Amino acid sequence: KQEVTQIPAALSVPEGENLVLNCSFTDSAIYNLQWFRQDPGKGLTSLLLIQSSQREQTSGRLNASLDKSSGRSTLYIAASQPGDSATYLCAVRANSKLTFGKGITLSVRP
Amino acid sequence: NAGVMQNPRHLVRRRGQEARLRCSPMKGHSHVYWYRQLPEEGLKFMVYLQKENIIDESGMPKERFSAEFPKEGPSILRIQQVVRGDSAAYFCASSPPATGGHEQYFGPGTRLTVT
Repeated sequence: KQEVTQIPAALSVPEGENLVLNCSFTDSAIYNLQWFRQDPGKGLTSLLLIQSSQREQTSGRLNASLDKSSGRSTLYIAASQPGDSATYLCAVRANSKLTFGKGITLSVRP
Repeated sequence: NAGVMQNPRHLVRRRGQEARLRCSPMKGHSHVYWYRQLPEEGLKFMVYLQKENIIDESGMPKERFSAEFPKEGPSILRIQQVVRGDSAAYFCASSPPATGGHEQYFGPGTRLTVT
């Protein structure tokens, strides 16, 4: 059974700091891995999708890496801003469904 | 191209009533997935449907919950005789008609409150 873990559950950083969010998963037989952002009471915004054959994806200040053999992914956020404050979810896809971690709630202090 | 649409966005039901949640996938998508997010918990897969077929319902509670995706119209998640523990955000996602590593696109969710 696939399990996805995101630690820590919450993180607070000062504005401007570069930061790394970690995600680990137990079963390496995946199609892809997605990082999402969720604001309180809102839906999911897809940030980056990494296919199992890829090592990383970049979008603006975000960079996500995938090491499938070790069951790890990281989301790197450069020059963090207060507007980055949200919960970041990692999800892996195997067969039909996504398995989600519980998320990391990020607070960027002005 | 409109995104995944869900309605209603908020739904309040009394215990024992029925709840019907609707999901219209993105244009050209024929695969629909339902997920549930309970308070203080992560999103959990419920069911995966294609037009007129349930492909994987391994995450669906055994009683009171059902889902359909008819040939015409939206996908429906139906909860009969709701209880307080059904209060959650229900998200629908869709993907193109192919298996493998296609991205799932999420709707804004329906927040169900059972009083």
